[in-house]
Amino acid sequence: EAGVAQSPRYKIIEKRQSVAFWCNPISGHATLYWYQQILGQGPKLLIQFQNNGVVDDSQLPKDRFSAERLKGVDSTLKIQPAKLEDSAVYLCASSLDGSIVFTSTDTQYFGPGTRLTVL
Amino acid sequence: RKEVEQDPGPFNVPEGATVAFNCTYSNSASQSFFWYRQDCRKEPKLLMSVYSSGNEDGRFTAQLNRASQYISLLIRDSKLSDSATYLCVVNRREYGNKLVFGAGTILRVKS
Repeated sequence: EAGVAQSPRYKIIEKRQSVAFWCNPISGHATLYWYQQILGQGPKLLIQFQNNGVVDDSQLPKDRFSAERLKGVDSTLKIQPAKLEDSAVYLCASSLDGSIVFTSTDTQYFGPGTRLTVL
Repeated sequence: RKEVEQDPGPFNVPEGATVAFNCTYSNSASQSFFWYRQDCRKEPKLLMSVYSSGNEDGRFTAQLNRASQYISLLIRDSKLSDSATYLCVVNRREYGNKLVFGAGTILRVKS
């Protein structure tokens, strides 16, 4: 079974520029998550989608970050404009169904991440 | 205070040693608990779930104490390949399936 795909793997930009990341979840997974992992910290959830609807975006800095999952499959995360403190690894994860009481189907599978450096 | 707290380490141990990691969580509404493993510059991967009765998977044993809001991971007979960062994770269901990660504990197993 193919895993979660992300691109690009690495991105270097200057502050105030824009950047976009792409994620393709495991086939059939209804729930998609974007996490930000700053060096030395654990991943922090930015946004969770259930199909193409947003379940939780309480920790997404909405003044500069946006995300969409228009057809309930692929997703993009955008930062505009980027700040130095946005340097991090952006991880996408998916699960079969994250909307129900926990079962094994809630296991989240992570993609390889996009390493963003803002200069 | 962070919602999930771990000793960052690093724990430097020889091969064959037994090592234990601890984790505390602050939100009593947390419902599910996990240990994830993250290799250097790789994505996190689920190592094991943690149950109140305690559970074992080969050389790994996980324990949960809900009253104390404390989770542990014990690794016996450490291997070089166990070197990684171990992330303590709790699941809160306020808005669906939300995982809250600790900052991780670094383990280095040396020959």
